[in-house]
Amino acid sequence: DAGITQSPRHKVTETGTPVTLRCHQTENHRYMYWYRQDPGHGLRLIHYSYGVKDTDKGEVSDGYSVSRSKTEDFLLTLESATSSQTSVYFCAISEFRGGHQPQHFGDGTRLSIL
Amino acid sequence: AQKITQTQPGMFVQEKEAVTLDCTYDTSDQSYGLFWYKQPSSGEMIFLIYQGSYDEQNATEGRYSLNFQKARKSANLVISASQLGDSAMYFCAMGAGNQFYFGTGTSLTVIP
Repeated sequence: DAGITQSPRHKVTETGTPVTLRCHQTENHRYMYWYRQDPGHGLRLIHYSYGVKDTDKGEVSDGYSVSRSKTEDFLLTLESATSSQTSVYFCAISEFRGGHQPQHFGDGTRLSIL
Repeated sequence: AQKITQTQPGMFVQEKEAVTLDCTYDTSDQSYGLFWYKQPSSGEMIFLIYQGSYDEQNATEGRYSLNFQKARKSANLVISASQLGDSAMYFCAMGAGNQFYFGTGTSLTVIP
């Protein structure tokens, strides 16, 4: 199994508070991704990183920011959480670009915003 | 715009029978990859099988095969000899460049 750890695994917080989710990998892979999973939508890409300090937006990036200061860590921040951001968040990694290599996923973070 | 469509929200199959899960995709890229993932009730995402857009042979991995029809832009997953442990959500995905797109999933239930 790919060495991907997401923390926390569960979090409940209130609207308007900042939230940071962490993804840590031990595979030394260049590419890292953050997704959210919602019923009826499958997984949707929020942001991705193609190297240290190199990040770009995905399909649903509004309200989220990311940072990658080390190869192994990719942080997702909700600056001011809203109830619409209640979701399950998955981190994924891949060694090469996503088109021809599978991504491997962490176990997910269940985030509830009240 | 890139898009993945899975038209079967739920499917049932008898144990030991084969089942086909449908997936169509839309892209203007010439180079792309197609993937299937399994998500059991425990929630983790498990990679099953990959097909490259330039691959002429259909991919196979054990009991999984990917029926790739490029002209129809379809990438159906075939599971042979279904087992009770195959009950899960199945997601079709496409990768192109740095982006990755998922379908909405098909819930498969295997009946004893």
